[in-house]
Formats: sequence, C-alpha cells, structure tokens
Amino acid sequence: EAGVTQFPSHSVIEKGQTVTLRCDPISGHDNLYWYRRVMGKEIKFLLHFVKESKQDESGMPNNRFLAERTGGTYSTLKVQPAELEDSGVYFCASSQEGTGFSPLHFGNGTRLTVT
Amino acid sequence: AQSVAQPEDQVNVAEGNPLTVKCTYSVSGNPYLFWYVQYPNRGLQFLLKYITGDNLVKGSYGFEAEFNKSQTSFHLKKPSALVSDSALYFCAVRPHSGAGSYQLTFGKGTKLSVIP
Repeated sequence: EAGVTQFPSHSVIEKGQTVTLRCDPISGHDNLYWYRRVMGKEIKFLLHFVKESKQDESGMPNNRFLAERTGGTYSTLKVQPAELEDSGVYFCASSQEGTGFSPLHFGNGTRLTVT
Repeated sequence: AQSVAQPEDQVNVAEGNPLTVKCTYSVSGNPYLFWYVQYPNRGLQFLLKYITGDNLVKGSYGFEAEFNKSQTSFHLKKPSALVSDSALYFCAVRPHSGAGSYQLTFGKGTKLSVIP
C-alpha cells in the first residue's frame, strides 16, 4: 500500500507570507493527525481528524493555523501569516483505527523555513 | 498531562555490541507506549508498542523494549547493534483514556550511532 504522502517536502517563505501544506493519508484511514517538530524540541501534537471532522485541535498554536480535511480524504494545513517561530518540520500521520494503541503511519514531513 | 524523557541526546555503540536507548514517562493511569525510528529525510517508522500484558515486547528489526511500571520506564534494547541501526529514536506515550488519549506525546529523541 502507498504510504502517507506530504507535499511539499521543503518550503522556504518570508515572514508574513502564506503557506499551505498537504497530506494524503493511507487510503481507507479515517484518522489523520498533524504533528510539528520545532528545531531541537519534541514532536508536538497539533490536531486530529476523524474523517472530515476535527476530533481534537487542542495543539494548534494559534489562529494563524487552519487545518481542513474536505471529503475526509487529503488534508491541508495553512499558515497565514507565517512567523519565524513557525519554522520546523510538520508531520502528518494516519491510522485505520482511532484506538489509543493503533500505531500511526507517518509521512516524511514538510520542512518549513520562515525567513 | 503526560510527558516523556529521553535522558540521552546521543548514544554511541560499537557494531555487534548490545544497545540500550532509555525512556521514562509520566502519564495518568495506564499508558500505551511506543518506539519510533527516523532515518535521515524520512518520516517516523513504528518499531514496537506496549499495550498490556508481557512486560517485554518485541518489535521490528530485532528490537525489543521492557516496560517497568515501578520505574515508569520503557527502554529500547537490541542484543547486537548494526551500523544500519544508526538513526534517531523517539519514545512516545498515550494514556488509555481521558483527555488527550488520541495524542501521542514524544520525547526529544535520541540519536543512535553504531560505529563499525
């Protein structure tokens, strides 16, 4: 099966610009997650979709971040306007079940650099 | 809130020697524990998990981990290290239930270098 795919792999933008990250989960996986790793720090949870619904968005840092999952397939994460502290690697993950012990399948991540 | 500590930023081990990557956790109630590995320019790959039952769990590529409830630890081990094991290793925890039960909480990661 194809894995979780993320686009783009790298993005360099200037402060104040907008960037949209995309994630295509494994086909049939209803659960989709976004995580972020800021340089040198832990990987942090951002939000969780079940199909097209946001199950938990408690990790979203502020209202400059908007995640969508129209139709319950792929998801986008938009940062508008971007700030320097948004730089990091954004990971998407999916799982077939939403149970706590289902391992997540991660994409390769999008490395975002805000200058 | 849950937390994970990986006390070593880097672990160096000679090829063929046993390796241990340490992890301790804090969580309310019983934990689900995971180890993931990240190779350069790749995403995180699942290695193994502890749900319940036997404290010693076996995973991919010959890795195993031992759950110790009294010490709240979940150290990753392998009897004989390979150069190809060199990567970044992340320990993660999820609570069984309650707030945040779908959120994985990660440690900072430990870079493992296996020296030929």
